[in-house]
Amino acid sequence: KQEVTQIPAALSVPEGENLVLNCSFTDSAIYNLQWFRQDPGKGLTSLLLIQSSQREQTSGRLNASLDKSSGRSTLYIAASQPGDSATYLCAAPQGGSEKLVFGKGTKLTVNP
Amino acid sequence: EPEVTQTPSHQVTQMGQEVILRCVPISNHLYFYWYRQILGQKVEFLVSFYNNEISEKSEIFDDQFSVERPDGSNFTLKIRSTKLEDSAMYFCASSEVVYYDQPQHFGDGTRLSIL
Repeated sequence: KQEVTQIPAALSVPEGENLVLNCSFTDSAIYNLQWFRQDPGKGLTSLLLIQSSQREQTSGRLNASLDKSSGRSTLYIAASQPGDSATYLCAAPQGGSEKLVFGKGTKLTVNP
Repeated sequence: EPEVTQTPSHQVTQMGQEVILRCVPISNHLYFYWYRQILGQKVEFLVSFYNNEISEKSEIFDDQFSVERPDGSNFTLKIRSTKLEDSAMYFCASSEVVYYDQPQHFGDGTRLSIL
């Protein structure tokens, strides 16, 4: 059974700082992993999908890496801005399934 | 950019009443999903739907729940007799295909409050 864990649960940084959010998963037989952003009371915005054959995926200031062998993914945010403040969720598929299993998220606050 | 739309954004219902949550997936997508998030908890999978039938469901998705694609554009989740513990944010998602390089796209959710 897939389990997804995210640390830290919350992170507060000054504007301009580079930061890393961590995600670990127990079942490494995944075909991809998704990172989402959730603003308070809002839906989930897909940020990046990284396929199992890839090691990294980039979109603007965001870079996601995937290491299946160690069961880890990281989301790197460069030059953080107050508008990046949100909860970031990592989701991995349950083995052999289209069902996504989510972590509890990291709540990021970027202070001006 | 195409998006998944959900209505209503907030639904308040008396316990024991039936409720229908509506979703319009992205038009060329073939796979549809419902997830829910109880306040302060993880997002959890309820059901997936493909080719007019359920392809997978979780233990939460019991006989009180049903899904339907009544026409070519809508996808609905029905809860027959709501309980207090059904209070949650319900998210609809869709994807073009399953696996590999296609993400699931989520709507903004319906907040369901059971009184």
